[in-house]
Amino acid sequence: AQSVAQPEDQVNVAEGNPLTVKCTYSVSGNPYLFWYVQYPNRGLQFLLKYITGDNLVKGSYGFEAEFNKSQTSFHLKKPSALVSDSALYFCAVRRSSNDYKLSFGAGTTVTVRA
Amino acid sequence: DTEVTQTPKHLVMGMTNKKSLKCEQHMGHRAMYWYKQKAKKPPELMFVYSYEKLSINESVPSRFSPECPNSSLLNLHLHALQPEDSALYLCASSQDRSLRSTDTQYFGPGTRLTVL
Repeated sequence: AQSVAQPEDQVNVAEGNPLTVKCTYSVSGNPYLFWYVQYPNRGLQFLLKYITGDNLVKGSYGFEAEFNKSQTSFHLKKPSALVSDSALYFCAVRRSSNDYKLSFGAGTTVTVRA
Repeated sequence: DTEVTQTPKHLVMGMTNKKSLKCEQHMGHRAMYWYKQKAKKPPELMFVYSYEKLSINESVPSRFSPECPNSSLLNLHLHALQPEDSALYLCASSQDRSLRSTDTQYFGPGTRLTVL
């Protein structure tokens, strides 16, 4: 079975400091990994995905994520957080086959204080 | 343009009402999805349409009835719902080259449903 874990329910960071949101995955075969962000009372917005190739993936709004196969991780990072980055972040995984299903992590609430 | 639109934004209905949620995309995507999301929880997949045919039903109760009239539109018909069905209902679409794993799902803003 495929699964993804977000070990932190909440991350608090000061504006201007680096932001990291952690994600680890468990799939058989090569994973396809995604990050989404959800602002209050809104739908999910796609940030970035890892399919293959370069382990460092750059996405929207200055976010990037690093795929680490040995640690089965795909942590989301931003060098300098903004108050407007405060939101709920979801990591998701699909198996490397014709698989319709996105398995989401439980989500991490990020609060960036001014 | 990666926009998926959903109407209405909010819906309040009684347990005996019949209502419908609507989703639209004009990205030429051939897969469309319905998800249910409770507060602060991840979305739960309900239905998947691929090329206007129902591909997946995640054991959803029959009081939820999906419909895909054409490749751009997806409806969710609601009848005799329960208060526990109150949630944010999200629509998504993806390019769907045979439901390829690499395709990104793009989500709409959702419909906030309250069942009284």
